[in-house]
Amino acid sequence: QKEVEQDPGPLSVPEGAIVSLNCTYSNSAFQYFMWYRQYSRKGPELLMYTYSSGNKEDGRFTAQVDKSSKYISLFIRDSQPSDSATYLCAMSAGGGNKLTFGTGTQLKVEL
Amino acid sequence: DADVTQTPRNRITKTGKRIMLECSQTKGHDRMYWYRQDPGLGLRLIYYSFDVKDINKGEISDGYSVSRQAQAKFSLSLESAIPNQTALYFCATSAPTSPSTDTQYFGPGTRLTVL
Repeated sequence: QKEVEQDPGPLSVPEGAIVSLNCTYSNSAFQYFMWYRQYSRKGPELLMYTYSSGNKEDGRFTAQVDKSSKYISLFIRDSQPSDSATYLCAMSAGGGNKLTFGTGTQLKVEL
Repeated sequence: DADVTQTPRNRITKTGKRIMLECSQTKGHDRMYWYRQDPGLGLRLIYYSFDVKDINKGEISDGYSVSRQAQAKFSLSLESAIPNQTALYFCATSAPTSPSTDTQYFGPGTRLTVL
């Protein structure tokens, strides 16, 4: 079993929809949680960063961490075609430990 | 200008050839990483370096070597390329202080094909 599980999709939604992307993990030592967005033929770019449990909001994006369930989510409100990309979750135990990535969920927002 | 640059962006080579992928950064970060990305497998760490004199193996280092020539430069070499090293390769950097030691910033990638 992988340390981090992420549904690969593809996930197709209409413009304006609320999108929910999720990852589960097995390592209870993870404390830092990140979401990266990767456009086709580009490098991953950091979208959201969260420490420990709770919610963090940035514009149309909300990151949610539930450490008791070992479950993290990224919500995108009012989705736009420009949000079409692959979304990677990543997490670490902190202190310079390596990042463990999910395999990514491909999202397509259609007009 | 890009903070993390990689050269070449695309490369086609033949089995048995030696190839070097280069990474440069202007972010002033001490830590640099090399990953490969394969469909269905995600990003896997090949090597990482926390400073010029520090080199560490990642989870899939066999068949690869690295050189940290300076704080800003980190090269990945395939001494004798094989077809299953065909992948997308990314360099990344991170700083020890902000916003966490583990937030990494990626280059645009090198698409390598080994025939």
